[in-house]
Order: sequence, then structure tokens, then C-alpha cells
Amino acid sequence: KAGVTQTPRYLIKTRGQQVTLSCSPISGHRSVSWYQQTPGQGLQFLFEYFSETQRNKGNFPGRFSGRQFSNSRSEMNVSTLELGDSALYLCASSWGGPRKNQPQHFGDGTRLSIL
Amino acid sequence: AQSVSQHNHHVILSEAASLELGCNYSYGGTVNLFWYVQYPGQHLQLLLKYFSGDPLVKGIKGFEAEFIKSKFSFNLRKPSVQWSDTAEYFCAVNGNNRLAFGKGNQVVVIP
Repeated sequence: KAGVTQTPRYLIKTRGQQVTLSCSPISGHRSVSWYQQTPGQGLQFLFEYFSETQRNKGNFPGRFSGRQFSNSRSEMNVSTLELGDSALYLCASSWGGPRKNQPQHFGDGTRLSIL
Repeated sequence: AQSVSQHNHHVILSEAASLELGCNYSYGGTVNLFWYVQYPGQHLQLLLKYFSGDPLVKGIKGFEAEFIKSKFSFNLRKPSVQWSDTAEYFCAVNGNNRLAFGKGNQVVVIP
């Protein structure tokens, strides 16, 4: 069974630009969560999507948004990039059905660098 | 919202030594608890989990963790570490379907 796939692996952008990251969950998984990992703040929850709906949201500004498609693939968008957005962005998937809080399976992440 | 505290961010020990990593959480409701491990250059992997039942949970690679509800703790242990256990270890709490992670423990095992 293929794992969680994130593309691209690396991105370099400049301040003010916007970026879209992609995540393909494990086959059969319907829940996709996004996390930001930085040395200072550690792993922080961004949002979770289930059946194309945002089911949960962390404490990030509105510049961070996401969506989920009918095949459970998810995209995350960050607009008006700031230097502080440089981080590893991780995607995790789980079955996410009626029994919530299932173990999540992580991808390798997208390393975003802002110049 | 839930939060997680991990102490002793950097741990250095020799092979065959015992390892214990502390994890304390705060959350008012029912929680599920996890330990994840990130080996150098690899993605986060689930080490073990606690949902309910026996508070002593056994995971992969000889790791175990004990859930003590009265202390809001979920400490990770391994009786005898190997060089291959060098990694970063994260405790996580899942309440209301969002994972809250601790800052992690960087563990280095010296051969």
C-alpha cells in the first residue's frame, strides 16, 4: 500500500508570493490533516479535511487555506508569503470515519523556504 | 485546546542504557495518546498508541509507554537502547480529532 505522498518535496519562494502544496493520502483514507514543523514552534496543527469539508482548524491566519477533492487528495495554499512561513509542511492521513482520533500516517513533507 | 509537554529535549546515552522520556498533557476530555518517532531523513512514524484499556502499551522495536491518568502522563520507555534508536521522539495527544505535539526529544545513542 503506498504511503502518503506530498509534492513537491522542496520549494523556494519569495515574500509576497503564494504557494500550493499537494497531498495524496493512503488509499481508503478520507481524513487529511496538515501540520507546520519549525525548529522554534515544533509541530503545529493547521487544519483537517474529511469528505471535502474542513472539519477542524488550528490557530493560523487566513492566509493559510486548504481544500480536499472527491478522491480525498488535498491541497494547502499559503498566500502573501512571509519569511516566517519557512517550514516543513507535513500532511497526514487517516481513515477518519465515525471513530475519530485514528492514528495518522505522515508523508515526507514539503520543505518551503522563503527568501 | 490540548497541549503537550516533553522535557529534556536533548538526550545522549550509550547503547544498552535504559531510556525514559516524559510526556505530560493537558486536556479536559477523552484523549488518545501517541508516540511518534522520526529517524534521520525519514518521515514521522507511529511508535505506539493508547486509546483505552491496559494503560501499559507496547509498541514497535521494544518500546512501551504507560498512561497514568491521575498524572496526565504518558511516558515512553525502552529498557536497553541501540544505536539505531537515534531519532527524534514526539508525544502527541489527539482530542477532538486534532493532534497536538510536544516539542520532541532528540535522542542520540552512542555505540
